[in-house]
Amino acid sequence: EIVLTQSPATLSLSPGERATLSCRASQSVSSYLAWYQQKPGQAPRLLIYDASNRATGIPARFSGSGSGTDFTLTISSLEPEDFAVYYCQQRSNWPAYTFGQGTKLEIK
Amino acid sequence: EVQLVESGGGLVKPGGSLRLSCAASGFTFSSYSMNWVRQAPGKGLEWVSSISSSSSYIYYADSVKGRFTISRDNAKNSLYLQMNSLRAEDTAVYYCARSDILTGYHFDYWGQGTLVTVSS
Repeated sequence: EIVLTQSPATLSLSPGERATLSCRASQSVSSYLAWYQQKPGQAPRLLIYDASNRATGIPARFSGSGSGTDFTLTISSLEPEDFAVYYCQQRSNWPAYTFGQGTKLEIK
Repeated sequence: EVQLVESGGGLVKPGGSLRLSCAASGFTFSSYSMNWVRQAPGKGLEWVSSISSSSSYIYYADSVKGRFTISRDNAKNSLYLQMNSLRAEDTAVYYCARSDILTGYHFDYWGQGTLVTVSS
């Protein structure tokens, strides 16, 4: 089973700052990694797929990078609506998808 | 507009059964693989099961294999999850989600979820 480890568990930043979230895989997942955003009481929303492709309607301030075992989600300048929990997900050993444990992005 | 609406959640005793449904609209349901993902209270996301567009391929997480059954009815634009032998650890919000080849088979649309509580 491929394990995804996200860091940090909690990230405290202010609006306008740059956010960098990390996701590390226990073995290579090539570029088969996605990022989701989840706000309280809501379903997750797909932000990035295949490591670096923005999903439809996702603002350009969100970007993804990485391949193999190390991945990064960057939010270039935080907006108030960006404070949420972020999850990475891999499908390298499809059909068994796995998710990371999440990073909570909170307002400082 | 793509919509996924889950229903069927509720309170059930350990060892009991429940059937979840997901009604799809706004897209050609029969062309997409579908999935169930769950989230225990205050916890992260866990993939539960997937079914291909024609039901030819079906997959389960080890945690539910042998107890849960995924199915679909393309004529009714509906996805189902039959859950048997339920345990306390199955307590979660259950989401249905669509996977699309255009987004690398990641989950591009999700329903709002339905809560399943397993408790005596």
